[in-house]
Amino acid sequence: SQELEQSPQSLIVQEGKNLTINCTSSKTLYGLYWYKQKYGEGLIFLMMLQKGGEEKSHEKITAKLDEKKQQSSLHITASQPSHAGIYLCGAAKYNSGNTPLVFGKGTRLSVIA
Amino acid sequence: GAGVSQSPSNKVTEKGKDVELRCDPISGHTALYWYRQSLGQGLEFLIYFQGNSAPDKSGLPSDRFSAERTGGSVSTLTIQRTQQEDSAVYLCASSLSFGGNEQFFGPGTRLTVL
Repeated sequence: SQELEQSPQSLIVQEGKNLTINCTSSKTLYGLYWYKQKYGEGLIFLMMLQKGGEEKSHEKITAKLDEKKQQSSLHITASQPSHAGIYLCGAAKYNSGNTPLVFGKGTRLSVIA
Repeated sequence: GAGVSQSPSNKVTEKGKDVELRCDPISGHTALYWYRQSLGQGLEFLIYFQGNSAPDKSGLPSDRFSAERTGGSVSTLTIQRTQQEDSAVYLCASSLSFGGNEQFFGPGTRLTVL
């Protein structure tokens, strides 16, 4: 079965610093999704990547997909306290339009002033 | 617009009892997913409904777990004879049948089995 490994497991950064979170799949990636979760809340969709080399940005968050390496990275520029939370990567379980997701265990991000 | 809603938000039950968890997907979303999030296991897929097709039950951990989706909308996840290891947050998500599978998640039901 497919497994996603996220690194680091947790991260503490000072406000204003840049950071990167990585997600590596044990199998071919058909689609890679990034979500953010705050304590006690549901998951908030950030970005979806489907093609090798694809890169997407939303505000100060950029995600890239390296299909050959079966990896994705999430980069946050000039971090702010609002970026704190748990970041989860999810991979499409099947190569089809609608598919359940297999998730990594998450990266817990803390941003200190 | 209204997002995915789940009820109850919290449920405490005794070991051996049955529980029902409810999910109301976003109107018009044909795909509905149940996941479970626990400390040790992270976020795990349980079951998936797509339109009128037979559900994908490949993630259900045991035959004590079942789910149904009535009228292509509301879904109920039932856990029979609950065990302490069933304690977790149960999350429901829905998505359109096209458009890249962006899944919208509900706030979850926190289940505690004593």
